[in-house]
Amino acid sequence: NAGVTQTPKFRVLKTGQSMTLLCAQDMNHEYMYWYRQDPGMGLRLIHYSVGEGTTAKGEVPDGYNVSRLKKQNFLLGLESAAPSQTSVYFCASSYLAGRPEQFFGPGTRLTVL
Amino acid sequence: GESVGLHLPTLSVQEGDNSIINCAYSNSASDYFIWYKQESGKGPQFIIDIRSNMDKRQGQRVTVLLNKTVKHLSLQIAATQPGDSAVYFCAENMNAGGTSYGKLTFGQGTILTVHP
Repeated sequence: NAGVTQTPKFRVLKTGQSMTLLCAQDMNHEYMYWYRQDPGMGLRLIHYSVGEGTTAKGEVPDGYNVSRLKKQNFLLGLESAAPSQTSVYFCASSYLAGRPEQFFGPGTRLTVL
Repeated sequence: GESVGLHLPTLSVQEGDNSIINCAYSNSASDYFIWYKQESGKGPQFIIDIRSNMDKRQGQRVTVLLNKTVKHLSLQIAATQPGDSAVYFCAENMNAGGTSYGKLTFGQGTILTVHP
């Protein structure tokens, strides 16, 4: 099993450009999450999904949209990138809410100029 | 790797020593706590977890202690090795009426450096 994979690994955008980050998991997990990690601030939840076709806002959702059309995939979109969105983005998945251990992908480093 | 270590608490130990990493959590309603290890350039990796109805749990070379009275969590690593060098995060899950959906709130992290 590959676990949780993310594409791309690195990306540089100009202000105002759009892009989509792809997260895929092969563990048949119901729940998926998108986090951003900034220096000295730990991980902050952007959006999450409790199942195919469902999404919900996390702690810092502004400027991002998500979709979960297939159970194994969770997409994070930036419609109009801003320098404040420069960060490392991590996707995670988990199986049961009763045991909230999350499995993380390797991350995507995004720079917005 | 990414510079996630700016302004984080740091702990430096010698190889073979025991390490203790501390975490203060915020919500007395949290029912589950997890420790993660993050190596440079990688995603967080699960180490050990503990439920709120326990005060101690042991794994391989690691022990987690939970003190609900003062809302404090600690991770003890025995016989620390250079491969243990990483950023360590605690995370809490608040079970809001049984529907927290596994959402975790992460602490800021602690940088552990192990010197050979």
